[in-house]
Amino acid sequence: DVKVTQSSRYLVKRTGEKVFLECVQDMDHENMFWYRQDPGLGLRLIYFSYDVKMKEKGDIPEGYSVSREKKERFSLILESASTNQTSMYLCASSPPTGMNTEAFFGQGTRLTVV
Amino acid sequence: DAKTTQPTSMDCAEGRAANLPCNHSTISGNEYVYWYRQIHSQGPQYIIHGLKNNETNEMASLIITEDRKSSTLILPHATLRDTAVYYCIVRVGFLSGGGADGLTFGKGTHLIIQP
Repeated sequence: DVKVTQSSRYLVKRTGEKVFLECVQDMDHENMFWYRQDPGLGLRLIYFSYDVKMKEKGDIPEGYSVSREKKERFSLILESASTNQTSMYLCASSPPTGMNTEAFFGQGTRLTVV
Repeated sequence: DAKTTQPTSMDCAEGRAANLPCNHSTISGNEYVYWYRQIHSQGPQYIIHGLKNNETNEMASLIITEDRKSSTLILPHATLRDTAVYYCIVRVGFLSGGGADGLTFGKGTHLIIQP
């Protein structure tokens, strides 16, 4: 059974804190993605990675950074959390582009910044 | 820029076929059409994808027009559990320079199945 696991389902952090959201996949996928989801805005791509140590900006990278030191793990970092980063964060992984197969998503982390 | 356009919401009666349209008029030759759905409080789930031929699996059918500028996802016998947000996206099949494409979603269609 394929799995994308996000470390926390719910998280509450204070403004200005450094926040790490962790995502691990067990499918040996090359591609990994981070999204945020807000009411009325759909899923918006923050960053993605197609290989270890490789990263690409998505549509809304401002205020975020990522780390991919190992193939199975993709971390999203909020250097200094702000209230406008309160959101649902979703991680996904997929085989390499060109294999035309699906992406698999984690269950999401609901982050509240107070 | 959004690559796809979908209605914001749709209703369908339980037991009837749900037909969800998607416009992707700027699709290029190497891009596939994918459909995902997201049930409340869960991560999105893959449904089906296609290039130019119609496709069918155990969940749904995908009809792509001959010019590939639009497609329709068909849930043949909708149930209450099919109430979800449905996303239509396009994704390249191959990148000649390597790397990867970002998997970009839009706002999707909120399908509500009525009892």
